[in-house]
Amino acid sequence: DAGVIQSPRHEVTEMGQEVTLRCKPISGHNSLFWYRQTMMRGLELLIYFNNNVPIDDSGMPEDRFSAKMPNASFSTLKIQPSEPRDSAVYFCASSAGYTDTQYFGPGTRLTVL
Amino acid sequence: SQKIEQNSEALNIQEGKTATLTCNYTNYSPAYLQWYRQDPGRGPVFLLLIRENEKEKRKERLKVTFDTTLKQSLFHITASQPADSATYLCALDTEGNEKLTFGTGTRLTIIP
Repeated sequence: DAGVIQSPRHEVTEMGQEVTLRCKPISGHNSLFWYRQTMMRGLELLIYFNNNVPIDDSGMPEDRFSAKMPNASFSTLKIQPSEPRDSAVYFCASSAGYTDTQYFGPGTRLTVL
Repeated sequence: SQKIEQNSEALNIQEGKTATLTCNYTNYSPAYLQWYRQDPGRGPVFLLLIRENEKEKRKERLKVTFDTTLKQSLFHITASQPADSATYLCALDTEGNEKLTFGTGTRLTIIP
């Protein structure tokens, strides 16, 4: 298996622009997680899905952030409009269920100028 | 407030010695705790999981303990090697579901 796939790996954009991050989880995994990592706040969970349904989005910072999972093999995290404080590394992870290991993707490094 | 603390931001250990990392938490009753390793520019990689009814877990040179009374987990790397240099994160299920809350991590450097 190729593991969790994220794209793009790096994104540089200007304030106000829309940013879309993409994730393909490991085949057969039914849970998908979006995290954000910064030096100041560490690794924070933004939202997670189970069987394509959003279960907990309490970590989504504000209405500018939205996430979708239209099918078991694809998820997007969208920021609109983006702001410089959104600059961070965004990770997607998937797992086979409760207490199971989470497998992380390589991350997307987002820079908002 | 609820929080997860890892003993120090950075830890330097001489090669061959045992490295011990600490994860302390407050106001949680996790069913399990996990340890991950993260290398620069990469996502975290799972190392070990220990459940609340387990005192100790081992995997090769790694050992994890879990004391639910002290609300603490210790992570040991024996016979440490420079290749063990990385950031180590502990994570807890803080809500009794799949949601994990991560500690801030300890950056471990093994000095040759």
